[in-house]
Amino acid sequence: AQSVTQPDIHITVSEGASLELRCNYSYGATPYLFWYVQSPGQGLQLLLKYFSGDTLVQGIKGFEAEFKRSQSSFNLRKPSVHWSDAAEYFCAVGAVAAGNKLTFGGGTRVLVKP
Amino acid sequence: KAGVTQTPRYLIKTRGQQVTLSCSPISGHRSVSWYQQTPGQGLQFLFEYFSETQRNKGNFPGRFSGRQFSNSRSEMNVSTLELGDSALYLCASSLVGGGTYEQYFGPGTRLTVT
Repeated sequence: AQSVTQPDIHITVSEGASLELRCNYSYGATPYLFWYVQSPGQGLQLLLKYFSGDTLVQGIKGFEAEFKRSQSSFNLRKPSVHWSDAAEYFCAVGAVAAGNKLTFGGGTRVLVKP
Repeated sequence: KAGVTQTPRYLIKTRGQQVTLSCSPISGHRSVSWYQQTPGQGLQFLFEYFSETQRNKGNFPGRFSGRQFSNSRSEMNVSTLELGDSALYLCASSLVGGGTYEQYFGPGTRLTVT
């Protein structure tokens, strides 16, 4: 069965510093991968996606992620964090064979210090 | 283009009652998926509907059901509510075909069971 692990439950980062959120997945088929962000009381907003091709993908709000098949990872990065980036971030994996069923990681809550 | 809408946004019900939640997908999107989000279990897939047919189902009891109408709007129903059903219920829509698999989420319905 597929699974997604986000090892860091909480991360605190200073405003202006870089951010990296880790995501590891386990999936038998070729996966497609997503990062979503959720602000308190809100739904999930899609940050970026990987289906195939270039393993470094760019998303909205200055985020990027790199797919590393050999490490089964899809880490999210941002060079310089803004206070508005404080939120919870979810990595998700799916596959064509699974239809639109996504398996989510447990999430990483990001706190931004001024 | 309007996003995914969910009604109602908040709901309080009593144990044993039933509840119906509604989701209107993005115009042109024909697939609607439902997820349950709780602090303990995280984000879990409930089911997916496409062309008025359930295409995929997660591991939830039969008290959880859904349907999709010809205009792609979807409803989910939970019968005989239990305290553990208190959660944020998220609906996501996606465009089927064309090699795209991303899902766009609504703001969710916060269900509280007392």
